[in-house]
Amino acid sequence: EVQLVEAGGDLVQPGGSLRLSCAASGFTFSTYWMSWVRQAPGKGLERVANMGPGGRQIYHVDSVKGRFSISRDNAKNSLYLQMNSLRVEDTAVYYCAREGVEITSGTTRGALDIWGRGTMVTVSS
Amino acid sequence: DIQMTQSPTTLSASVGDRVTITCRASQSISNWLAWYQQKPGKAPKLLIYKASSLESGVPSRFSGSGSGTEFTLTISSLQPDDLGTYYCQQYNHWTFGQGTKVEIK
Repeated sequence: EVQLVEAGGDLVQPGGSLRLSCAASGFTFSTYWMSWVRQAPGKGLERVANMGPGGRQIYHVDSVKGRFSISRDNAKNSLYLQMNSLRVEDTAVYYCAREGVEITSGTTRGALDIWGRGTMVTVSS
Repeated sequence: DIQMTQSPTTLSASVGDRVTITCRASQSISNWLAWYQQKPGKAPKLLIYKASSLESGVPSRFSGSGSGTEFTLTISSLQPDDLGTYYCQQYNHWTFGQGTKVEIK
């Protein structure tokens, strides 16, 4: 079964740090682009960061640049999000998601086809 | 960045109704548009990619159309299981629309 399982969410004070992890199974993790997407309580979806299969291509949304860092360990089939200098506005459910590809060509579908259940990050004093 | 605007924000319809949700991009995105369904307390689920391709396992009552800057998601016959919030998403920097909440009358 294709699966993503996030862990690491917690209650943390403003200015604190957390490291989220995402364990992948059921597919060849090392060949896929992966993303972190967050959703603040009662709000919409925001892509936070994504990373290419080899770990060299990286994108972070402007609001987290310099504070968050996405990384991956293909040997462990795992994706990570290091979150530093956390702010109250970072409070959200954080989802790990896979970028889908066309089976025949391997080209991107431009969409996130597999999502984890999410992990809650609460930043509050 | 490209902005995505969905309409309506909320939609209330009866079982069996044909339902249409619109998503407009602030500039042309060709056909690089996806649609997701999110039920309360759950992760989003991919319905449509590349504007009109139906994701495997998604009921055929869901369809997508459009290109350039205007796109639509259509549910041909609304079912009770279709309640939730629907989001569009464009591929360039992965911007999402603000969501459309679908309620069953």
